[in-house]
Amino acid sequence: GQQVMQIPQYQHVQEGEDFTTYCNSSTTLSNIQWYKQRPGGHPVFLIQLVKSGEVKKQKRLTFQFGEAKKNSSLHITATQTTDVGTYFCAGLSGTYKYIFGTGTRLKVLA
Amino acid sequence: DVKVTQSSRYLVKRTGEKVFLECVQDMDHENMFWYRQDPGLGLRLIYFSYDVKMKEKGDIPEGYSVSREKKERFSLILESASTNQTSMYLCASSQSGQGRNGYTFGSGTRLTVV
Repeated sequence: GQQVMQIPQYQHVQEGEDFTTYCNSSTTLSNIQWYKQRPGGHPVFLIQLVKSGEVKKQKRLTFQFGEAKKNSSLHITATQTTDVGTYFCAGLSGTYKYIFGTGTRLKVLA
Repeated sequence: DVKVTQSSRYLVKRTGEKVFLECVQDMDHENMFWYRQDPGLGLRLIYFSYDVKMKEKGDIPEGYSVSREKKERFSLILESASTNQTSMYLCASSQSGQGRNGYTFGSGTRLTVV
């Protein structure tokens, strides 16, 4: 079946450093979504990418969708302690359901 | 704000018990989903429903069933709980189609089976 893998599984950074997580699918995706889950919380929707090569920004967060629509990345510039959490990508499988990646847990050291 | 409410935050059940996890959403969403979250495995889809009385198996449906008698409510049933079903269970809902505004998740139910 379709698989969505994320790397790295864990990342520790010093506050102010940049952070990137990568998402790779075994099949072409119609679109991809990104979520953030704070420690002890539930996943919260961040953004959706649809077009090949699309790039979207939300303040310090930059999201990219690969040209082949099989991979995506999330880059955080100058991390802050509020960025702590697990970041998930999710690729559309079929009409209704998204397959979630394994997540990248980010820890920011002050 | 869209709200997805799960009936219990923490639950402890005995092996062999029948367990009901309830989920209610208040934004008239067509699609509802049940995931379980385990360390290192991410979120895995158990069942989903795109309409009342409709259900489809996800990736790990074994040992589970669901019920959607009303649009706003989606129940997950563990027919005979086992220790390997100890997990965090997350309910989510989305608008019809491809859910362009993303899923809205409930706060989760941490189930422990002893």
